[in-house]
Amino acid sequence: DAKTTQPNSMESNEEEPVHLPCNHSTISGTDYIHWYRQLPSQGPEYVIHGLTSNVNNRMASLAIAEDRKSSTLILHRATLRDAAVYYCIPTLTGNQFYFGTGTSLTVIP
Amino acid sequence: EPEVTQTPSHQVTQMGQEVILRCVPISNHLYFYWYRQILGQKVEFLVSFYNNEISEKSEIFDDQFSVERPDGSNFTLKIRSTKLEDSAMYFCATTRGYGAGELFFGEGSRLTVL
Repeated sequence: DAKTTQPNSMESNEEEPVHLPCNHSTISGTDYIHWYRQLPSQGPEYVIHGLTSNVNNRMASLAIAEDRKSSTLILHRATLRDAAVYYCIPTLTGNQFYFGTGTSLTVIP
Repeated sequence: EPEVTQTPSHQVTQMGQEVILRCVPISNHLYFYWYRQILGQKVEFLVSFYNNEISEKSEIFDDQFSVERPDGSNFTLKIRSTKLEDSAMYFCATTRGYGAGELFFGEGSRLTVL
């Protein structure tokens, strides 16, 4: 499994954009970069995934570095509901997902 | 929206007792997983299951644990003789295929071993 490095915690003001970084320098060529989040007292929830190109969906955007050694999850307008632990997971679906310690996002009203 | 259903939501048991946690996967999904999360700690992989057999398991998944899909719908995790340290939230997850895509997690089953 590729090792990942994420900040332990970040803060954002409500309705402002948030950029959550992740380093995954040992990622293999076939791994997709997945992002999940875990809201308090809930199971992990899929956010987005990508391979090489930047990706957008209704929840977030994913910016992937050209060398694929890092990526950034972008929440365009943070809401209080976005307060969660965010996990960056390079792997293939079907393999195990290794959840590290993630980044705990606090959204300030 | 399709969802993974887990039962029970909370189970309290005495040390040494057997526990079965149940999961109903999303109907066309082929890969199934169990994860656990001890309070305040990381989500940890236990086991993955595909084509009616275990495809991968972690060091946590010792002889006390087993999984099966007895009737083609429920996917179960059995702990034969529970220990205090088995107290955790257990999450079932399922996905359609291999490669890329969304892993759907259930809401979890909280196990408390006394």
